[in-house]
Amino acid sequence: QVQLVQSGAEVKKPGASVKVSCKASGYTFTSYGISWVRQAPGQGLEWMGWISAYNGNTNYAQKLQGRVTMTTDTSTSTAYMELRSLRSDDTAVYYCARYSTSGGLGYWGQGTLVTVSS
Amino acid sequence: EIVLTQSPGTLSLSPGERATLSCRASQSVSSTSLAWYQQTPGQAPRLLIYGASTRATGIPGRFSGGGSGTDFTLTISRLEPEDFAVYYCQQYGSSPLTFGGGTKVEIK
Repeated sequence: QVQLVQSGAEVKKPGASVKVSCKASGYTFTSYGISWVRQAPGQGLEWMGWISAYNGNTNYAQKLQGRVTMTTDTSTSTAYMELRSLRSDDTAVYYCARYSTSGGLGYWGQGTLVTVSS
Repeated sequence: EIVLTQSPGTLSLSPGERATLSCRASQSVSSTSLAWYQQTPGQAPRLLIYGASTRATGIPGRFSGGGSGTDFTLTISRLEPEDFAVYYCQQYGSSPLTFGGGTKVEIK
Protein backbone atom coordinates (compact mmCIF):
# COMPACT_ATOMS: atom_id res chain seq x y z
CA GLN A 1 0.00 0.00 0.00
CA VAL A 2 1.11 3.53 -0.70
CA GLN A 3 2.67 5.23 2.32
CA LEU A 4 4.29 8.60 2.81
CA VAL A 5 6.18 8.92 6.07
CA GLN A 6 7.48 12.33 7.09
CA SER A 7 10.24 13.41 9.44
CA GLY A 8 9.54 14.63 12.94
CA ALA A 9 8.61 17.98 14.39
CA GLU A 10 11.09 20.85 14.26
CA VAL A 11 11.58 24.02 16.26
CA LYS A 12 13.55 26.75 14.52
CA LYS A 13 14.53 30.32 15.19
CA PRO A 14 13.56 33.13 12.82
CA GLY A 15 15.99 33.33 9.93
CA ALA A 16 16.94 29.67 10.10
CA SER A 17 16.18 26.92 7.57
CA VAL A 18 14.26 23.68 7.88
CA LYS A 19 14.33 20.57 5.73
CA VAL A 20 11.43 18.14 5.92
CA SER A 21 11.64 14.66 4.43
CA CYS A 22 8.92 12.45 3.00
CA LYS A 23 9.78 8.78 2.44
CA ALA A 24 7.55 6.99 -0.04
CA SER A 25 6.83 3.30 -0.27
CA GLY A 26 4.37 0.96 -1.91
CA TYR A 27 4.73 2.28 -5.46
CA THR A 28 7.31 3.17 -8.08
CA PHE A 29 8.63 6.47 -6.73
CA THR A 30 9.59 7.95 -10.09
CA SER A 31 6.10 7.42 -11.53
CA TYR A 32 4.49 10.23 -9.52
CA GLY A 33 5.32 13.73 -8.40
CA ILE A 34 5.13 14.92 -4.82
CA SER A 35 3.20 17.99 -3.76
CA TRP A 36 3.80 19.93 -0.57
CA VAL A 37 0.93 21.59 1.29
CA ARG A 38 1.07 23.50 4.56
CA GLN A 39 -1.48 24.47 7.16
CA ALA A 40 -0.93 27.22 9.70
CA PRO A 41 -2.57 26.70 13.11
CA GLY A 42 -6.33 26.97 12.80
CA GLN A 43 -6.07 27.92 9.13
CA GLY A 44 -6.77 26.36 5.76
CA LEU A 45 -4.58 24.46 3.31
CA GLU A 46 -1.92 26.22 1.24
CA TRP A 47 -0.24 24.59 -1.76
CA MET A 48 3.52 25.17 -1.69
CA GLY A 49 4.65 23.45 -4.84
CA TRP A 50 5.33 20.22 -6.66
CA ILE A 51 8.29 18.21 -7.79
CA SER A 52 8.49 15.51 -10.41
CA ALA A 53 10.17 12.44 -8.96
CA TYR A 54 10.95 11.40 -12.54
CA ASN A 55 13.13 14.31 -13.65
CA GLY A 56 13.22 16.76 -10.73
CA ASN A 57 11.19 19.46 -12.45
CA THR A 58 9.61 21.80 -9.95
CA ASN A 59 6.72 24.25 -9.76
CA TYR A 60 6.68 26.51 -6.71
CA ALA A 61 4.01 28.82 -5.34
CA GLN A 62 4.96 32.35 -6.28
CA LYS A 63 4.90 33.63 -2.70
CA LEU A 64 7.57 31.10 -1.71
CA GLN A 65 9.84 31.52 -4.75
CA GLY A 66 13.39 32.11 -3.62
CA ARG A 67 12.85 30.61 -0.16
CA VAL A 68 11.77 27.06 -0.96
CA THR A 69 13.60 24.20 -2.63
CA MET A 70 12.09 20.78 -3.31
CA THR A 71 14.31 17.84 -4.16
CA THR A 72 14.12 14.08 -4.42
CA ASP A 73 16.50 11.19 -3.81
CA THR A 74 15.38 8.35 -6.04
CA SER A 75 17.82 5.92 -4.40
CA THR A 76 15.86 6.15 -1.16
CA SER A 77 12.44 7.14 -2.57
CA THR A 78 12.49 10.26 -0.47
CA ALA A 79 11.31 13.77 -1.23
CA TYR A 80 12.58 16.83 0.61
CA MET A 81 11.26 20.32 1.14
CA GLU A 82 13.65 22.99 2.41
CA LEU A 83 12.37 26.38 3.51
CA ARG A 84 14.86 29.15 4.28
CA SER A 85 14.74 32.50 6.06
CA LEU A 86 12.01 31.23 8.33
CA ARG A 87 9.53 33.68 9.83
CA SER A 88 6.95 33.26 12.55
CA ASP A 89 4.20 32.98 9.96
CA ASP A 90 5.90 29.88 8.54
CA THR A 91 4.78 28.05 11.67
CA ALA A 92 2.56 25.31 10.28
CA VAL A 93 2.04 21.62 9.71
CA TYR A 94 3.75 20.67 6.47
CA TYR A 95 2.34 17.79 4.44
CA CYS A 96 3.67 15.89 1.47
CA ALA A 97 1.07 14.34 -0.80
CA ARG A 98 0.79 12.31 -3.98
CA TYR A 99 -1.90 12.28 -6.63
CA SER A 100 -4.04 9.20 -6.96
CA THR A 101 -3.99 7.59 -10.40
CA SER A 102 -7.39 9.09 -11.21
CA GLY A 103 -7.04 12.59 -9.81
CA GLY A 104 -6.87 14.49 -6.55
CA LEU A 105 -4.30 14.18 -3.80
CA GLY A 106 -5.16 10.68 -2.68
CA TYR A 107 -2.17 9.97 -0.45
CA TRP A 108 -0.83 12.18 2.31
CA GLY A 109 1.99 12.04 4.79
CA GLN A 110 1.18 12.36 8.47
CA GLY A 111 2.37 15.95 8.59
CA THR A 112 5.37 17.63 10.18
CA LEU A 113 4.90 20.49 12.62
CA VAL A 114 7.44 23.25 12.11
CA THR A 115 7.45 25.89 14.82
CA VAL A 116 9.34 29.14 14.25
CA SER A 117 9.96 30.98 17.48
CA SER A 118 12.68 33.02 19.07
CA GLU B 1 -4.64 32.34 -9.87
CA ILE B 2 -8.05 30.72 -9.44
CA VAL B 3 -9.61 31.76 -6.14
CA LEU B 4 -12.03 29.26 -4.60
CA THR B 5 -14.64 30.61 -2.19
CA GLN B 6 -16.46 28.13 0.02
CA SER B 7 -19.76 28.77 1.72
CA PRO B 8 -21.03 28.72 4.29
CA GLY B 9 -18.05 29.04 6.62
CA THR B 10 -19.81 26.92 9.22
CA LEU B 11 -22.79 24.59 8.85
CA SER B 12 -24.60 23.53 12.04
CA LEU B 13 -26.61 20.38 11.49
CA SER B 14 -27.83 17.30 13.33
CA PRO B 15 -26.92 13.70 12.55
CA GLY B 16 -29.19 12.35 9.84
CA GLU B 17 -29.63 15.73 8.17
CA ARG B 18 -28.49 16.65 4.67
CA ALA B 19 -25.47 18.90 4.18
CA THR B 20 -24.88 20.97 1.06
CA LEU B 21 -21.52 22.71 0.72
CA SER B 22 -20.67 25.22 -2.00
CA CYS B 23 -17.41 26.02 -3.77
CA ARG B 24 -17.35 28.95 -6.19
CA ALA B 25 -14.38 29.65 -8.46
CA SER B 26 -13.19 33.05 -9.66
CA GLN B 27 -12.86 31.62 -13.18
CA SER B 28 -13.92 28.45 -14.89
CA VAL B 29 -12.44 25.24 -13.55
CA SER B 30 -12.18 22.07 -15.58
CA SER B 31 -14.65 19.58 -14.12
CA THR B 32 -11.96 16.94 -14.34
CA SER B 33 -9.80 18.96 -11.95
CA LEU B 34 -11.98 19.73 -8.94
CA ALA B 35 -11.60 17.74 -5.72
CA TRP B 36 -13.10 17.71 -2.24
CA TYR B 37 -11.30 16.74 0.96
CA GLN B 38 -12.38 16.03 4.50
CA GLN B 39 -10.17 16.91 7.46
CA THR B 40 -10.71 15.98 11.09
CA PRO B 41 -8.65 17.51 13.93
CA GLY B 42 -5.04 16.39 13.99
CA GLN B 43 -5.36 14.40 10.77
CA ALA B 44 -4.19 14.89 7.22
CA PRO B 45 -6.84 15.71 4.64
CA ARG B 46 -8.66 12.76 3.08
CA LEU B 47 -9.66 12.76 -0.59
CA LEU B 48 -13.43 12.35 -0.97
CA ILE B 49 -14.24 13.39 -4.53
CA TYR B 50 -12.15 13.99 -7.65
CA GLY B 51 -13.16 15.06 -11.10
CA ALA B 52 -15.95 17.05 -9.44
CA SER B 53 -18.23 14.02 -9.04
CA THR B 54 -16.29 10.75 -8.68
CA ARG B 55 -15.95 9.26 -5.24
CA ALA B 56 -12.46 8.20 -4.23
CA THR B 57 -11.84 4.60 -3.25
CA GLY B 58 -13.62 3.62 -0.05
CA ILE B 59 -15.74 6.77 0.23
CA PRO B 60 -19.35 6.02 1.26
CA GLY B 61 -22.18 6.62 -1.16
CA ARG B 62 -23.72 9.35 1.02
CA PHE B 63 -21.04 11.71 -0.32
CA SER B 64 -21.70 13.14 -3.76
CA GLY B 65 -20.19 15.94 -5.78
CA GLY B 66 -21.54 17.96 -8.65
CA GLY B 67 -21.32 21.16 -10.59
CA SER B 68 -19.33 22.63 -13.44
CA GLY B 69 -17.68 25.83 -14.60
CA THR B 70 -17.47 28.05 -11.56
CA ASP B 71 -20.01 26.44 -9.20
CA PHE B 72 -19.50 23.13 -7.46
CA THR B 73 -21.22 21.40 -4.58
CA LEU B 74 -20.52 18.62 -2.13
CA THR B 75 -23.58 16.93 -0.67
CA ILE B 76 -23.70 14.58 2.29
CA SER B 77 -27.09 12.94 2.11
CA ARG B 78 -27.43 11.88 5.76
CA LEU B 79 -24.83 13.02 8.24
CA GLU B 80 -23.14 10.36 10.31
CA PRO B 81 -21.27 11.27 13.53
CA GLU B 82 -17.91 10.81 11.78
CA ASP B 83 -18.84 13.33 9.08
CA PHE B 84 -18.55 16.34 11.38
CA ALA B 85 -15.31 17.82 10.09
CA VAL B 86 -13.87 20.54 7.86
CA TYR B 87 -14.26 20.20 4.10
CA TYR B 88 -12.06 21.79 1.45
CA CYS B 89 -12.43 22.07 -2.29
CA GLN B 90 -9.37 22.22 -4.51
CA GLN B 91 -8.72 22.85 -8.17
CA TYR B 92 -5.76 21.08 -9.71
CA GLY B 93 -6.24 21.95 -13.36
CA SER B 94 -4.15 25.10 -13.47
CA SER B 95 -1.13 26.38 -11.63
CA PRO B 96 -0.99 27.38 -8.90
CA LEU B 97 -3.16 24.70 -7.37
CA THR B 98 -5.56 26.37 -4.97
CA PHE B 99 -7.78 25.36 -2.08
CA GLY B 100 -10.94 26.94 -0.79
CA GLY B 101 -11.00 28.32 2.71
CA GLY B 102 -13.00 25.41 4.06
CA THR B 103 -16.47 24.73 5.47
CA LYS B 104 -16.78 23.40 9.00
CA VAL B 105 -19.70 21.03 9.51
CA GLU B 106 -20.48 21.03 13.21
CA ILE B 107 -23.04 19.27 15.37
CA LYS B 108 -26.07 21.40 16.11
